[in-house]
Amino acid sequence: SQKIEQNSEALNIQEGKTATLTCNYTNYSPAYLQWYRQDPGRGPVFLLLIRENEKEKRKERLKVTFDTTLKQSLFHITASQPADSATYLCAPSPRAGTALIFGKGTTLSVSS
Amino acid sequence: EAQVTQNPRYLITVTGKKLTVTCSQNMNHEYMSWYRQDPGLGLRQIYYSMNVEVTDKGDVPEGYKVSRKEKRNFPLILESPSPNQTSLYFCASMSLSTEETQYFGPGTRLLVL
Repeated sequence: SQKIEQNSEALNIQEGKTATLTCNYTNYSPAYLQWYRQDPGRGPVFLLLIRENEKEKRKERLKVTFDTTLKQSLFHITASQPADSATYLCAPSPRAGTALIFGKGTTLSVSS
Repeated sequence: EAQVTQNPRYLITVTGKKLTVTCSQNMNHEYMSWYRQDPGLGLRQIYYSMNVEVTDKGDVPEGYKVSRKEKRNFPLILESPSPNQTSLYFCASMSLSTEETQYFGPGTRLLVL
């Protein structure tokens, strides 16, 4: 069955450092992979999407990589700030016409 | 403003009393979906709909019903709620032509006594 693993349920880092979150998937051939941010009690908010033919995507302090050979995506937040503290979800998206499945998320805490 | 709305936001009910959680989107999206989120289990999909009158089961459909009579609305129905359906529920929508981001509603926190 399809499986998505976001290793480390929690990640604690100091302000200014780079946070790196990992998403691994098995029994899956996603056309693209999305990352979402979720604050407590609120709905997930879309951050970035990367397609299978893209190696890397950037948006401001965010960077996502996608390695279809390793079946892995890395999500980086550079110069992290306390406001970046949240849970981050990855969602590998399969081919057209099927549903999105989310990983359980990694909770990031950035201390000042 | 593009948005997904859910009502009610908070609901306390008793076992067996039928309830409906409404979901509406104003983006003309074909795809709509319901998720429940529980501590340690993440977001799990209950039902989804690819278009009007087209619905399909997600990972945890037992105890739930949905309908899609109009494109903008996708209500979630609990015919006979039980305490194990106490959860945080999210509705989401997505354009199938772009198949990119899902837009989530603000969530409905349900407590079944």
